[in-house]
Amino acid sequence: QVQLKESGPGLVQPSETLSLTCTVSGFSLTSYSVSWVRQPSGKGPEWMGRMWYDGDTAYNSALKSRLSISRDTSKNQVFLKMNSLQTDDTGTYYCTRERIRGSVFDYWGQGVMVTVSS
Amino acid sequence: AIVLNQSPSSIIASQGEKVTITCRASSSISSNYLHWYQQKPGAFPKLVIYSTSYRASGVPSRFSGSGSGTSYSFTISRVEAEDVATYYCQQGSSNPYTFGAGTKLELK
Repeated sequence: QVQLKESGPGLVQPSETLSLTCTVSGFSLTSYSVSWVRQPSGKGPEWMGRMWYDGDTAYNSALKSRLSISRDTSKNQVFLKMNSLQTDDTGTYYCTRERIRGSVFDYWGQGVMVTVSS
Repeated sequence: AIVLNQSPSSIIASQGEKVTITCRASSSISSNYLHWYQQKPGAFPKLVIYSTSYRASGVPSRFSGSGSGTSYSFTISRVEAEDVATYYCQQGSSNPYTFGAGTKLELK
């Protein structure tokens, strides 16, 4: 069955870089896109960016200068790196499978809580 | 960015009652690109309705959606206790994809 699982540090210092990994199973990264979505506590989700099935990327313009998404298809992994973290980057970070048609997020990981604090 | 305005922000309903949530977009969206998610406390968002009116796999028939252009709605025909959650609309029509602020459904 389709599964996504995020991993990474739960605590990041301000101004440091966040590195997260999404490990997927049950589908191929060369057939589906994977998006990263984050959600501050008590607020709505925010789409961050996407790794297309063909290896291309797309980013939310609000985060583009700080964000990088890459992948390793041999390991079924998608990576997120975001630099210059601030306290308002605190929240839960999810990776999601995205259907190309409709750009809908049909499967989600459990999420990883990231706190930016010194 | 396309802004999605959801209303109401919260609903208190009785079991068996019909509830409707509205999602209004700041620009027109193709109906293929408007989706609804359910998020229960402490859990990830779960896809409920995609492309305006199609129920995701395993979703009960009491959930439905409709709309076009800039106005969309999500309805639960008879609320059950397990439907207590926050519901979000999302548009995948243009970058950046955006979500509504959410509608919190509680039981009376």
